[in-house]
Amino acid sequence: GAGVSQSPSNKVTEKGKDVELRCDPISGHTALYWYRQSLGQGLEFLIYFQGNSAPDKSGLPSDRFSAERTGGSVSTLTIQRTQQEDSAVYLCASSFMRDQPQHFGDGTRLSIL
Amino acid sequence: GENVEQHPSTLSVQEGDSAVIKCTYSDSASNYFPWYKQELGKRPQLIIDIRSNVGEKKDQRIAVTLNKTAKHFSLHITETQPEDSAVYFCAASTGSGSQGNLIFGKGTKLSVKP
Repeated sequence: GAGVSQSPSNKVTEKGKDVELRCDPISGHTALYWYRQSLGQGLEFLIYFQGNSAPDKSGLPSDRFSAERTGGSVSTLTIQRTQQEDSAVYLCASSFMRDQPQHFGDGTRLSIL
Repeated sequence: GENVEQHPSTLSVQEGDSAVIKCTYSDSASNYFPWYKQELGKRPQLIIDIRSNVGEKKDQRIAVTLNKTAKHFSLHITETQPEDSAVYFCAASTGSGSQGNLIFGKGTKLSVKP
């Protein structure tokens, strides 16, 4: 596609449920990033994938959060046993390689009831 | 790890005036510094970036300056227009090893009054 695509655009779920967020990066981009943006706040780094290398998970806030990237393309961010503080917009970005311009998707707005 | 401080948090200017947003970073190995504009409810959009081997870069009404010694960089918008109103984020690359993500400042909400 022409840009980074994320789905769903909105997700409302009950506390304690698991959620999966999907990111389809720009074709040919080897680097993929997940960020979290709480209301009125900046962007908090979560995880970074570069090609076939082991991902940099240093930003994941707890072991309830995990992500994978299959075949070097699509990525899924999973949050288990969701809590109300997980409510935020989850943004995915991709770049041709590290230290190159990152292009963001529209994000998934996650609301935990 | 890298830490990015951004000032001011809010900035209000009259249409036609200039706006300046400043950021400092902590990791001397950082070598890539982008600026993003985010309108309400929209995705962040890259507006300009600069690498550590360059001291200044300009694109029409937007310019960025970088002082590696002092570890700070600034965004300058001249002849501001109402459509420049948005939240602006600076960022710095994490400099070493397997890291490749950006560390963002907390953002500056710019309001341009007609």
